[in-house]
Amino acid sequence: EPEVTQTPSHQVTQMGQEVILRCVPISNHLYFYWYRQILGQKVEFLVSFYNNEISEKSEIFDDQFSVERPDGSNFTLKIRSTKLEDSAMYFCASGGTAGNTIYFGEGSWLTVV
Amino acid sequence: AQKVTQAQTEISVVEKEDVTLDCVYETRDTTYYLFWYKQPPSGELVFLIRRNSFDEQNEISGRYSWNFQKSTSSFNFTITASQVVDSAVYFCALSEVGWAGNTGKLIFGQGTTLQVKP
Repeated sequence: EPEVTQTPSHQVTQMGQEVILRCVPISNHLYFYWYRQILGQKVEFLVSFYNNEISEKSEIFDDQFSVERPDGSNFTLKIRSTKLEDSAMYFCASGGTAGNTIYFGEGSWLTVV
Repeated sequence: AQKVTQAQTEISVVEKEDVTLDCVYETRDTTYYLFWYKQPPSGELVFLIRRNSFDEQNEISGRYSWNFQKSTSSFNFTITASQVVDSAVYFCALSEVGWAGNTGKLIFGQGTTLQVKP
């Protein structure tokens, strides 16, 4: 069964460092997303990406965040200068069409120290 | 504004009991989609069901069933004869077709932690 894969599963980084989280969405999907979940809290939308551009972003997704689809398979989230409050689980997700089922990866747990 | 409310923060039941998880949503759109996801202790988000706003038929899948009522803006989830493996956090989510088109963005509720004791 096709699945969304994410790397790394866990990363510890120092405050101020840049982090890149990587994702391989399901191959025939067209919509890509990043969500985050701070420990014990709900899942929050960060950004959606379609047709090689951001289609929507939340207020969390400020200038420190960026996304890229550098080739036909990878989808990355970059945090330029990490802060302590960026510590969270980051989920990549993909969907075939808007409104269709969105499938999530297993998450990348980011710890900023 | 769109919103999903799961008023039950935590529920604890004994194995084989039935349990219903409540979900109430708010949206101004007439076309939208509702979802349930399960998050087991391992952390991943597992898709359970998707329902569009025009389909109010209840659905049953094994021990799981869902009751969608537009009149009360609710999409409740029932587990029959619960098992220890059902212990997880369950999230209800809403996806709208907004003015900008549908990006497919999900708005999640706060989640309900279900603990099933042996």
